[in-house]
Amino acid sequence: DQQVKQNSPSLSVQEGRISILNCDYTNSMFDYFLWYKKYPAEGPTFLISISSIKDKNEDGRFTVFLNKSAKHLSLHIVPSQPGDSAVYFCAAPSNTGNQFYFGTGTSLTVIP
Amino acid sequence: NAGVMQNPRHLVRRRGQEARLRCSPMKGHSHVYWYRQLPEEGLKFMVYLQKENIIDESGMPKERFSAEFPKEGPSILRIQQVVRGDSAAYFCASSPAQVGTEAFFGQGTRLTVV
Repeated sequence: DQQVKQNSPSLSVQEGRISILNCDYTNSMFDYFLWYKKYPAEGPTFLISISSIKDKNEDGRFTVFLNKSAKHLSLHIVPSQPGDSAVYFCAAPSNTGNQFYFGTGTSLTVIP
Repeated sequence: NAGVMQNPRHLVRRRGQEARLRCSPMKGHSHVYWYRQLPEEGLKFMVYLQKENIIDESGMPKERFSAEFPKEGPSILRIQQVVRGDSAAYFCASSPAQVGTEAFFGQGTRLTVV
């Protein structure tokens, strides 16, 4: 059972425009969420996180929004740059704290 | 401060052979996690270890797979009698405490079974 879902496997955006990556979750007990970025042949790198006590967290060009009632979060990248082209994973720690649940990823392509 | 180090980066094994994947966590990190990424899929949790202890192995297949994190040395993920379906990218992550904040990932070991 996929507890964290990313329903868009890919997204293409023009350079300079906004990229919006979406993530849904099923477990209302999740209280912390993370976004990881992954380039081909490399490991995931932490990008940004949000606690469930907040509905928004911003770090430079990256902003994560959390809608707890909808069990939905999104990552906004603005302005998008070609170097942002990567696979983005949404993740949430399990209630035991023993693991992350990862979405299946969204492959973002920023077109110059 | 070196990051999480995994080796080898690429490993080719014939069916029936053993594969040993190594992970050295970041300095000061005592929590290690192994994940597997099959082609076109997300990362799936396999096992969570602390020094000399397996805390949670609920994601690891019951047969042929084992993991350890000894007092000295790297964490080892061992796959015995590999089959084609074991071909995947295996990622190790480490954290200074139990998952709750971010974990830091290594570059992965790409296992190919021929």
